[in-house]
Amino acid sequence: EDQVTQSPEALRLQEGESSSLNCSYTVSGLRGLFWYRQDPGKGPEFLFTLYSAGEEKEKERLKATLTKKESFLHITAPKPEDSATYLCAVTSLYKLSFGAGTTVTVRA
Amino acid sequence: EAGVAQSPRYKIIEKRQSVAFWCNPISGHATLYWYQQILGQGPKLLIQFQNNGVVDDSQLPKDRFSAERLKGVDSTLKIQPAKLEDSAVYLCASSFAIGDEQYFGPGTRLTVT
Repeated sequence: EDQVTQSPEALRLQEGESSSLNCSYTVSGLRGLFWYRQDPGKGPEFLFTLYSAGEEKEKERLKATLTKKESFLHITAPKPEDSATYLCAVTSLYKLSFGAGTTVTVRA
Repeated sequence: EAGVAQSPRYKIIEKRQSVAFWCNPISGHATLYWYQQILGQGPKLLIQFQNNGVVDDSQLPKDRFSAERLKGVDSTLKIQPAKLEDSAVYLCASSFAIGDEQYFGPGTRLTVT
C-alpha cells in the first residue's frame, strides 16, 4: 500500500524566513507526486505535479523538487498569504494517496 | 472555467439519519472522486468513477455508504445510517483522465450528533 509521510506537522515562520517541507513516500511504481495547498474551509488547490527524480517546478515563492524517495517544497521569503496547509500526494496505478499535511503559519 | 461544485456546504444530522451530497465536476472531466477528510488528516479516497463506471471503491464502507454517477456527469454520495465517526468534510474532485491532477470542490462539512 502506498504511504506518504509529511514533516513537520506544523511550521511557524517569520515573514521572509525561507524554509522547506518534506514529503517522504513509499509507492510501487510512482506515476506522479502532487503538491496541493489547502486553506481553512476550502478544498485542496493544485500546485505542482512531479513525475521523475531530479525534476523541479516553481510557482512564485514555491519550488518543488523530487528524489527517488522524497519531495521537498521550498518556500522562499514567505508572506502571510502563504499561510496554509500543504498536502503531498502520490499516485501509482490510478489512486491518489495523501499525506496528513504540513500547516504553515507565516507571521508578519 | 467553472470549478467543481458541491452542495450542500454544511449539514448537521443525528446519528442513524441519512444524508446525501451532490457533486458537479468540471466540464469534460471523465474521472470523478469522492474523498473523506477528517480534521487534521489528509483526504482519504472513498470511491473513484471513470465516466459512470466504478474504478475503485475499496475504501468505501459499503454497508452504509453508496455513490452513483448517472450519465457520467453529476454524482451523489449517500450515507445511511450515519454514525458519529462519519463527521468529516466530504470532498469531490475531478480530473480529465486517470492519473492527471485533480481539482477539488469546496467540500461538504458533515456533523453527526
